[in-house]
Amino acid sequence: DTEVTQTPKHLVMGMTNKKSLKCEQHMGHRAMYWYKQKAKKPPELMFVYSYEKLSINESVPSRFSPECPNSSLLNLHLHALQPEDSALYLCASSQVWAMDTEAFFGQGTRLTVV
Amino acid sequence: DQQVKQNSPSLSVQEGRISILNCDYTNSMFDYFLWYKKYPAEGPTFLISISSIKDKNEDGRFTVFLNKSAKHLSLHIVPSQPGDSAVYFCAARGGSNYKLTFGKGTLLTVNP
Repeated sequence: DTEVTQTPKHLVMGMTNKKSLKCEQHMGHRAMYWYKQKAKKPPELMFVYSYEKLSINESVPSRFSPECPNSSLLNLHLHALQPEDSALYLCASSQVWAMDTEAFFGQGTRLTVV
Repeated sequence: DQQVKQNSPSLSVQEGRISILNCDYTNSMFDYFLWYKKYPAEGPTFLISISSIKDKNEDGRFTVFLNKSAKHLSLHIVPSQPGDSAVYFCAARGGSNYKLTFGKGTLLTVNP
């Protein structure tokens, strides 16, 4: 199993809503990531979890709140988002962080904030 | 400041010919480089990587070349197939926090 599974695939939410994005992997990877990708732009790193601990927060606004309940799951809680937060949100995992290993990406959640 | 640059937004190649995708970087701390392929509505898929201790890595139809002095790498696809049509991202890692820095991508179209 070399999959990273993200749910939902599409999400439309209002600016006052609270929603969560979910990510799951069963490859035994101990590093998990959230990226944000806008149209015609490269993925931008948001958060890195290493061994279920938050290791990097790339100055992401607090309306995005990550959570890593266990080594297989990664959530991104969303609250009071703005229309400019509409993007493709990608989850990724790798064996460990900070070693020469490639990251496996999920299909992403296409988020639209209205 | 864009540390990983893919200066060609798009490339069109005939089936069976060679596709060459280029990538330049500015950060001399980068020591590991990766290529990802991305189809529409899907996440990026890892393709091939190279460490800075090597200058070439080959995997089937895909070969990555690294020129450290020029801070340049390239991905060669031979022979190109229509199924290779996708956006290709170059990514680099190194320095203090090991995060992947991506280029903007090159859209490769392989015509039958």
